[in-house]
Amino acid sequence: DAKTTQPTSMDCAEGRAANLPCNHSTISGNEYVYWYRQIHSQGPQYIIHGLKNNETNEMASLIITEDRKSSTLILPHATLRDTAVYYCIVPGNNDMRFGAGTRLTVKP
Amino acid sequence: DAGITQSPRYKITETGRQVTLMCHQTWSHSYMFWYRQDLGHGLRLIYYSAAADITDKGEVPDGYVVSRSKTENFPLTLESATRSQTSVYFCASMGLQGNIQYFGAGTRLSVL
Repeated sequence: DAKTTQPTSMDCAEGRAANLPCNHSTISGNEYVYWYRQIHSQGPQYIIHGLKNNETNEMASLIITEDRKSSTLILPHATLRDTAVYYCIVPGNNDMRFGAGTRLTVKP
Repeated sequence: DAGITQSPRYKITETGRQVTLMCHQTWSHSYMFWYRQDLGHGLRLIYYSAAADITDKGEVPDGYVVSRSKTENFPLTLESATRSQTSVYFCASMGLQGNIQYFGAGTRLSVL
């Protein structure tokens, strides 16, 4: 299974874009990158996933580098409610390994 | 309501007692999962199930038992609870299209 590396924590000003990086240098050609987030005391929530093309949905955008060794989750206009732990995951065989993630704090 | 529900939301038990945590989903998803999350840590997979009557161990299965007699239910049993099993337990389900898991609200278990 490809491992991921994320910064432990990040801050972002309310209304600004939050850019959360993730390294997955051992990812193989057919493995997707998934992003989830967990707001305090709640179950994790799916955000977005991608293979090699950039993806966008109503929650976020996902930028994957051409070599696929890293990706960035972008929350275009962060709000206080986006404060959460964000997990970048490259699952293998339906085994979704959640690491420590990045704790994003959106500040007023 | 449709979705995935866990019960109870909170449970306090004593060392050595048997405890069963329930998980029910209404989407007819094939896959179901049990995770535990200790304070300040990420989720760790306990067991998962690909379909009714099919279960497999995850990362931390010791001390837990699961069953899946019906697609919609995936109970997790602690046969003899220990203090180290104090944790928040999350259940999740997943359909056949993509690795998108949908999580329940969690069960906070305290073993005294």
